[in-house]
Amino acid sequence: EPEVTQTPSHQVTQMGQEVILRCVPISNHLYFYWYRQILGQKVEFLVSFYNNEISEKSEIFDDQFSVERPDGSNFTLKIRSTKLEDSAMYFCASKREGTTGELFFGEGSRLTVL
Amino acid sequence: KQEVTQIPAALSVPEGENLVLNCSFTDSAIYNLQWFRQDPGKGLTSLLLIQSSQREQTSGRLNASLDKSSGRSTLYIAASQPGDSATYLCAVMDSSYKLIFGSGTRLLVRP
Repeated sequence: EPEVTQTPSHQVTQMGQEVILRCVPISNHLYFYWYRQILGQKVEFLVSFYNNEISEKSEIFDDQFSVERPDGSNFTLKIRSTKLEDSAMYFCASKREGTTGELFFGEGSRLTVL
Repeated sequence: KQEVTQIPAALSVPEGENLVLNCSFTDSAIYNLQWFRQDPGKGLTSLLLIQSSQREQTSGRLNASLDKSSGRSTLYIAASQPGDSATYLCAVMDSSYKLIFGSGTRLLVRP
């Protein structure tokens, strides 16, 4: 069964360092998302991506964040200069259709900023 | 702004009980609603998807209903088992095709 895969599963980094989280969405999907979940809190929307551009971004998704789909298969989230409060589980998701499609989530990448 | 609320926040039941988890949302203009299961420290497993035109969906011992006009959904779990212990998340798809999540209900099924 096709699935969304994310790497790394866990990354530990020092404050101020750049981090890139990688995702391979399901191959025929058209909509891509990043969400995050701080420990003990809600799953929060970060950004959606469709037709090679950002569709929507939340208030959390400031200038320190960026997304790319560099090669038609990978979908990356970059955090330029990590802060302690960026420590969270980051989930990638993808969806095939617009209004009726089900979102499929990856297993997540746990980011720990020291 | 869409808000999703789940009640109760936590639930502990003996094995074998039938139980109902509740989800409410403030804006009825949704495309669909998904229920997820999340085990501690793990990802999100999709359980059921209900389109906005549907009233319910069933999968095994799980049944989810949707009343869009009143902004409510319920997840019914029949004959609960210890393996059902997890956090259950409700999420609605808004007009811009993103999911908005509730805080979840943490379920413990005692043997």
